[in-house]
Amino acid sequence: GEDVEQSLFLSVREGDSSVINCTYTDSSSTYLYWYKQEPGAGLQLLTYIFSNMDMKQDQRLTVLLNKKDKHLSLRIADTQTGDSAIYFCAETMNSGYSTLTFGKGTMLLVSP
Amino acid sequence: GAVVSQHPSRVICKSGTSVKIECRSLDFQATTMFWYRQFPKQSLMLMATSNEGSKATYEQGVEKDKFLINHASLTLSTLTVTSAHPEDSSFYICSARDRGRPDTQYFGPGTRLTVL
Repeated sequence: GEDVEQSLFLSVREGDSSVINCTYTDSSSTYLYWYKQEPGAGLQLLTYIFSNMDMKQDQRLTVLLNKKDKHLSLRIADTQTGDSAIYFCAETMNSGYSTLTFGKGTMLLVSP
Repeated sequence: GAVVSQHPSRVICKSGTSVKIECRSLDFQATTMFWYRQFPKQSLMLMATSNEGSKATYEQGVEKDKFLINHASLTLSTLTVTSAHPEDSSFYICSARDRGRPDTQYFGPGTRLTVL
């Protein structure tokens, strides 16, 4: 079955770059997503990448995909205290028409 | 951007009562809505997939008679927790797939249910 793994915790200082990693097992994954969840809130879609792309950049966010190793990463440049949250990696197949499989989430703590 | 709302945001009820949670897509049509449950410090667990005008598809282990889902229109899905018990206390999150952008799901802010 599908499985998505993430490290559980990351701590960085304000102004540094953060890199959150994710691995998945389903080679037929088509879309890979990063969601952000602040305490007590729902999920906010940050960005997503198609499986035929290697990289996608959107302002401070850079997503890298290594399809051979089934490894996805999210880099946040110039990390701010407001970036402190839980970040979920998720994947889906079949052009987004199927359900999402989530990782357990990485808690990012940004200290001043 | 696409906005999904949930109502109520927080509800406390007595054991044995039923609670209805609404999920609305505010600025887009959602042919498919999803209901998730999130336990503290856990990931999201998909409970059911709801397609407009048809019966919901429940994930294995989710009691369909306990968690009633209705998707009556392209902008509204409801989850009713029937005869709630303390173990049903959780954070319930809905998401909606934009009819025009099937590659993304937009999530609601969640509903915190506490059953006493």
